[in-house]
Amino acid sequence: KNQVEQSPQSLIILEGKNCTLQCNYTVSPFSNLRWYKQDTGRGPVSLTIMTFSENTKSNGRYTATLDADTKQSSLHITASQLSDSASYICVVSANSGYSTLTFGKGTMLLVSP
Amino acid sequence: NAGVMQNPRHLVRRRGQEARLRCSPMKGHSHVYWYRQLPEEGLKFMVYLQKENIIDESGMPKERFSAEFPKEGPSILRIQQVVRGDSAAYFCASSQDGAGADTQYFGPGTRLTVL
Repeated sequence: KNQVEQSPQSLIILEGKNCTLQCNYTVSPFSNLRWYKQDTGRGPVSLTIMTFSENTKSNGRYTATLDADTKQSSLHITASQLSDSASYICVVSANSGYSTLTFGKGTMLLVSP
Repeated sequence: NAGVMQNPRHLVRRRGQEARLRCSPMKGHSHVYWYRQLPEEGLKFMVYLQKENIIDESGMPKERFSAEFPKEGPSILRIQQVVRGDSAAYFCASSQDGAGADTQYFGPGTRLTVL
């Protein structure tokens, strides 16, 4: 069964600090891994997408890494801002020919002033 | 270029009534996906449609739920005879070509409350 596990479940950090969110998956055959940001009451917004051959990808202050051997990914947020407060969702796509996705439950990040 | 539109944003129904959720994909997108998000849970895939075709409905309950994406107009997710357990946020996403790395763009969701 395809599964995506994220940790921690929730996290509180001070504004300006860095943090790293973790994602482990058991999705096969693997196609790609995405990180989404979901603000409260809104739909998820794509941050990064990585295929099997990519180890790291950045989008501004967000840097995602992928280790396809250990089936782990991380999302590093640098110099956090209050607007980074959101749920961060790891999403893995199986190679089924089209994009059906398996979602993690998300890490709820709160950036405190 | 407007994003994915969903309406209504909030819907309240009594048990036994019907709920109709609408999704207009981004301009130029012909692939639509519906997901359900229960409180404290991750999004769960329900159904994948292209224009006039259901490609994969493996995540959709066999009874009471149906989806369509007509040639003209928005995609519709229809829930008949709603029950309290149907209360959730329903998200629609669209993509350009549906291939493996194709990015799905999400709408703001419809929050269904069943009284």
